[in-house]
Amino acid sequence: AQSVTQLGSHVSVSEGALVLLRCNYSSSVPPYLFWYVQYPNQGLQLLLKYTSAATLVKGINGFEAEFKKSETSFHLTKPSAHMSDAAEYFCAVMDSSYKLIFGSGTRLLVRP
Amino acid sequence: EADIYQTPRYLVIGTGKKITLECSQTMGHDKMYWYQQDPGMELHLIHYSYGVNSTEKGDLSSESTVSRIRTEHFPLTLESARPSHTSQYLCASSDNLRRGVVTEAFFGQGTRLTVV
Repeated sequence: AQSVTQLGSHVSVSEGALVLLRCNYSSSVPPYLFWYVQYPNQGLQLLLKYTSAATLVKGINGFEAEFKKSETSFHLTKPSAHMSDAAEYFCAVMDSSYKLIFGSGTRLLVRP
Repeated sequence: EADIYQTPRYLVIGTGKKITLECSQTMGHDKMYWYQQDPGMELHLIHYSYGVNSTEKGDLSSESTVSRIRTEHFPLTLESARPSHTSQYLCASSDNLRRGVVTEAFFGQGTRLTVV
């Protein structure tokens, strides 16, 4: 069964610092991978997705993620954190039945 | 902006009551999903549907039931609510594979259910 693991339930950065949120997947076939963001009391919003077209994927709000097959990783990065980036971030993999399987989530805190 | 709607947004209800959480989408998506989100953030798939008259249980066992009589509508019902059902419920839809391109799932705003 496919799964994703997000390392770190909480990540704290200073405003302007690099954001790095980690996601590793387990899949026996090329996966479809997604990053979603959730703001308080809201649903999930797609940040970006990997569907094998390109290993470096650019998303909304300045986020990007790089698919590394050798490391089975799909880490999310942003060069400079903004206060408005504080939210919950979820990595997800789509299984062969087109179901989205989510990681446990990472809460990003941005310090002024 | 996603056209998927959940009602109500917040619901406080007494133990033993029957409730139905509504989810509707206007995108014509064939696949719809219900996720339960615990206070600690993790999302668990509890039900999904591949189309009209198709429903399946997800990875997390749930006492709720669902129906899919119309493409756009995927309600979730709890026959007898209990405090252990207190959680946030998120509905999503997708058409996944359109012209060979995998598309994402779109989520509603969620329903936060509290059973007292």
